Amino acid sequence: KNQVEQSPQSLIILEGKNCTLQCNYTVSPFSNLRWYKQDTGRGPVSLTIMTFSENTKSNGRYTATLDADTKQSSLHITASQLSDSASYICVVSAGAAGNKLTFGGGTRVLVKP
Amino acid sequence: EADIYQTPRYLVIGTGKKITLECSQTMGHDKMYWYQQDPGMELHLIHYSYGVNSTEKGDLSSESTVSRIRTEHFPLTLESARPSHTSQYLCASSYPGTGDTGELFFGEGSRLTVL
Repeated sequence: KNQVEQSPQSLIILEGKNCTLQCNYTVSPFSNLRWYKQDTGRGPVSLTIMTFSENTKSNGRYTATLDADTKQSSLHITASQLSDSASYICVVSAGAAGNKLTFGGGTRVLVKP
Repeated sequence: EADIYQTPRYLVIGTGKKITLECSQTMGHDKMYWYQQDPGMELHLIHYSYGVNSTEKGDLSSESTVSRIRTEHFPLTLESARPSHTSQYLCASSYPGTGDTGELFFGEGSRLTVL
């Protein structure tokens, strides 16, 4: 059964600090992995996509990594801002066309001043 | 910014009422989806469509129904709402065809409360 596990479930950090979120998956055959940001009461928005051959990708202060061998991904937030307070969801696509999506439970991040 | 719209954003209704949640997108996407999300919990796929006149049930059993008569429109209907239907409903769409990267474009969500 395809599964995506995220850790921690939640975390609190001080503004300006860095943090790293983890995503472990057992999805086959792997197509790609996306990180989404979901603000409270809003729909998720894609931050970055990782394909099999990519190890690292950045989007501003967000940097995602992928280790396809260990089936792990991380999302690193640098110099956190209050606007980074949100849920971060890891979504893994399976299948040749990437049509089968498996969602992680998300990590809720609260940035405090 | 994604061009996908949901109405209403918030709805409070009594038990037994029939409701329709509207979802429209102007991106020409063939694939559309409905997800259900309880506060602080993960998203669960309840319906999806790969094109006009094509609808399928998702992973989570739902008493709702959907229709896809036009590419841009994917409404969700509850014939008789119950308190257990209280949740947030998120509509999404994605690029058509094989080899796509599977990015989902979400609407703002419809938060339903059934009393």
